[in-house]
Amino acid sequence: QKEVEQNSGPLSVPEGAIASLNCTYSDRGSQSFFWYRQYSGKSPELIMSIYSNGDKEDGRFTAQLNKASQYVSLLIRDSQPSDSATYLCAVNVNAGGTSYGKLTFGQGTILTVHP
Amino acid sequence: EAGVTQFPSHSVIEKGQTVTLRCDPISGHDNLYWYRRVMGKEIKFLLHFVKESKQDESGMPNNRFLAERTGGTYSTLKVQPAELEDSGVYFCASSQVSVPQYFGPGTRLTVL
Repeated sequence: QKEVEQNSGPLSVPEGAIASLNCTYSDRGSQSFFWYRQYSGKSPELIMSIYSNGDKEDGRFTAQLNKASQYVSLLIRDSQPSDSATYLCAVNVNAGGTSYGKLTFGQGTILTVHP
Repeated sequence: EAGVTQFPSHSVIEKGQTVTLRCDPISGHDNLYWYRRVMGKEIKFLLHFVKESKQDESGMPNNRFLAERTGGTYSTLKVQPAELEDSGVYFCASSQVSVPQYFGPGTRLTVL
């Protein structure tokens, strides 16, 4: 079992729709959760971070965390063609300092928003 | 504020040669990380510096890889000798505390 799993997609949604991206993780010690957006050939760009159960909203983006079920999701409302990219889920396990700072990534979900 | 920068953006070398990658973190960030993405796989952690000290190097694949961070500023990652399986994109990231981390554009390494 992979430590962080994402559906690789591609996920295709029409412009204006809600895109839903999901991620599950295996380590219950995971403390911090991140969504990065990566355009082809570019650096991963941090778009959301979430540290506690529930929802966190930032503009058109909402991150949802459920530690009991070990999943984290990202919703993109009013999707735009410019949102077309690979979305990376990353998890940080801070277990007494032995994994301090290390991010574990999923393989990424390719999102395509078509006009 | 300048972001994380990496040099070179692309390197093509032959098997057995040496390559040195450089990363300049965001100013004031004590934490510096190296990650690697090989084709078709997820981004994987290589190591973590806090200032000039190696905090965690559990992801370094073998002793052909040497990372340094002299003076706690920029870092270099040397691969010597390079093998075919070392091909991939090497990312550097930096942060003030452990998270969140901000990534550089990466160096695409191709070993022929």
